[in-house]
Amino acid sequence: IAGITQAPTSQILAAGRRMTLRCTQDMRHNAMYWYRQDLGLGLRLIHYSNTAGTTGKGEVPDGYSVSRANTDDFPLTLASAVPSQTSVYFCASSDRGGPTDTQYFGPGTRLTVL
Amino acid sequence: DQQVKQNSPSLSVQEGRISILNCDYTNSMFDYFLWYKKYPAEGPTFLISISSIKDKNEDGRFTVFLNKSAKHLSLHIVPSQPGDSAVYFCAASVRWYNNNDMRFGAGTRLTVKP
Repeated sequence: IAGITQAPTSQILAAGRRMTLRCTQDMRHNAMYWYRQDLGLGLRLIHYSNTAGTTGKGEVPDGYSVSRANTDDFPLTLASAVPSQTSVYFCASSDRGGPTDTQYFGPGTRLTVL
Repeated sequence: DQQVKQNSPSLSVQEGRISILNCDYTNSMFDYFLWYKKYPAEGPTFLISISSIKDKNEDGRFTVFLNKSAKHLSLHIVPSQPGDSAVYFCAASVRWYNNNDMRFGAGTRLTVKP
């Protein structure tokens, strides 16, 4: 079934460690996104990519980096994790990008930083 | 600074009755609004959208109403079904910015009782 996969499903991480969350889509969508969901705050955009080779900053980019080497993959890296990065992370993709394009979300990664 | 607010964390309705989920926004530049639905352990899925040139958009049992002067939108589900039990997120964006800065509310958990 076409869609978005994320790995790992969940992870407990010691503060200061490096972590990469993986995201792969098979819909050949141009745009991809990373959000974090925190209780009481909804989803907040971390980084996005409108096409392979380009990335941009969202609402809460600090402490995170992304790369978009090809159309299908959009990994999110925490270079040195901190407890405030404990959250549920969702990857999403859309056909063209932009504010009216329907986004398709992955199942999420639950990350706990101790 | 939350620009999109869903002030009711939860809502419980009886099967067959109407569910009304509310959303308020503070940024008058927002001109495109979406509702996403999220089941546990899954990513959000797109439900319905509305642009600011309309005040109503209907799709089957789901209707979104937009009141621009009050900066308020609502999602009506009629009739409500147990399968509608989920968390509903309201989101807003500015189309002419042509970026990916979509702002989400914190969500409302709807429970439809059989």
